[in-house]
Amino acid sequence: DQQVKQNSPSLSVQEGRISILNCDYTNSMFDYFLWYKKYPAEGPTFLISISSIKDKNEDGRFTVFLNKSAKHLSLHIVPSQPGDSAVYFCAASAGGTSGTYKYIFGTGTRLKVLA
Amino acid sequence: DAGVTQSPTHLIKTRGQQVTLRCSPISGHKSVSWYQQVLGQGPQFIFQYYEKEERGRGNFPDRFSARQFPNYSSELNVNALLLGDSALYLCASSLARRAEAFFGQGTRLTVV
Repeated sequence: DQQVKQNSPSLSVQEGRISILNCDYTNSMFDYFLWYKKYPAEGPTFLISISSIKDKNEDGRFTVFLNKSAKHLSLHIVPSQPGDSAVYFCAASAGGTSGTYKYIFGTGTRLKVLA
Repeated sequence: DAGVTQSPTHLIKTRGQQVTLRCSPISGHKSVSWYQQVLGQGPQFIFQYYEKEERGRGNFPDRFSARQFPNYSSELNVNALLLGDSALYLCASSLARRAEAFFGQGTRLTVV
């Protein structure tokens, strides 16, 4: 049961253009979402997060949008740069009754920014 | 400031052996979580420790165990290794149980 889905395994974008990475979730109890970037042979690097009380959060070139009714979030990167080429994971968590705040990750989208 | 550090970075073990992986969190972080990532998948939650107590456990067999020390560092132990345990094991630390998690570079475990 894949509760967090990233249906696009890969995405190619021209340098300077917008990259849009999508993520869908099925668990309505999820109320905190994060995006991570991962280069080969490194651990995931935190990019940006959003709480379910918001529908948008922005940090420099990165903006995350949350559509709770559609159970969908997206990460926009503007402008895209070659150094953004990596695998991007979305992750979600629910307030745990036992105090467990584990993150459920999607399978990732490989972004390639073409120079 | 030092980030999350994990050791060793690579490890090769034989089926049936036991392995211990180590993690030092970012200074001031009290929560440590462990994740397993196999090729083509996202990280899968194994354990969360906060203030030296286990606060959550993922869907992993009892062969997997962990602990957190008074200095908030942590160890993940896996007994009776199987070929399917081959994966990248990631440690993440955070200030609190519900906060952005910062990952280490991981330990690549290969079971042969």
